[in-house]
Amino acid sequence: ETGVTQSPTHLIKTRGQQVTLRCSSQSGHNTVSWYQQALGQGPQFIFQYYREEENGRGNFPPRFSGLQFPNYSSELNVNALELDDSALYLCASSFHGEPKALHFGNGTRLTVT
Amino acid sequence: GNSVTQMEGPVTLSEEAFLTINCTYTATGYPSLFWYVQYPGEGLQLLLKATKADDKGSNKGFEATYRKETTSFHLEKGSVQVSDSAVYFCALSNAGGTSYGKLTFGQGTILTVHP
Repeated sequence: ETGVTQSPTHLIKTRGQQVTLRCSSQSGHNTVSWYQQALGQGPQFIFQYYREEENGRGNFPPRFSGLQFPNYSSELNVNALELDDSALYLCASSFHGEPKALHFGNGTRLTVT
Repeated sequence: GNSVTQMEGPVTLSEEAFLTINCTYTATGYPSLFWYVQYPGEGLQLLLKATKADDKGSNKGFEATYRKETTSFHLEKGSVQVSDSAVYFCALSNAGGTSYGKLTFGQGTILTVHP
């Protein structure tokens, strides 16, 4: 069974730039959720994708957007990066209808300078 | 809205000591409750869960009981090991509708266990 994999593991960007983070879901899972974890804080829900559509969103501005592909992998895009976007971005996959079995990847550490 | 409050850390214990990490929540309806653990440089791993009142989740010697009357889900372990050193997160989920993948997390509690 292949777990959730995220790439890249680390990334450094400059304020105002754009970034794309990638996530491959665990085999058999069709739903992907993204979380932002600032240093010393708990993860905050960004949004979830199911059937290639956004299916729930947290309190994040529109410059945070995403995609899900037919193979259930997903991307998180952030435009016009701000210093406060520096965080660990976590992807989690699950099978739709079974929310009690979220599986997390190891995350992408984004630093905005 | 939903919220989760964990006891402030960090928590430092000696090996074989008793562990309690307090967690209380505010939520509508009947949420499911979780404890996740995060080891350095890694993502979150599900430690245990409980889906209804009075359920007890348990795993690897850790236990937590879903107490609806006190809206609590405290994590306990009778004898901690150095390998238990990690950050522990309490979380809840209101299943249904668009909320399937949405967990609300507490701020995390850092546990350090010394030999």
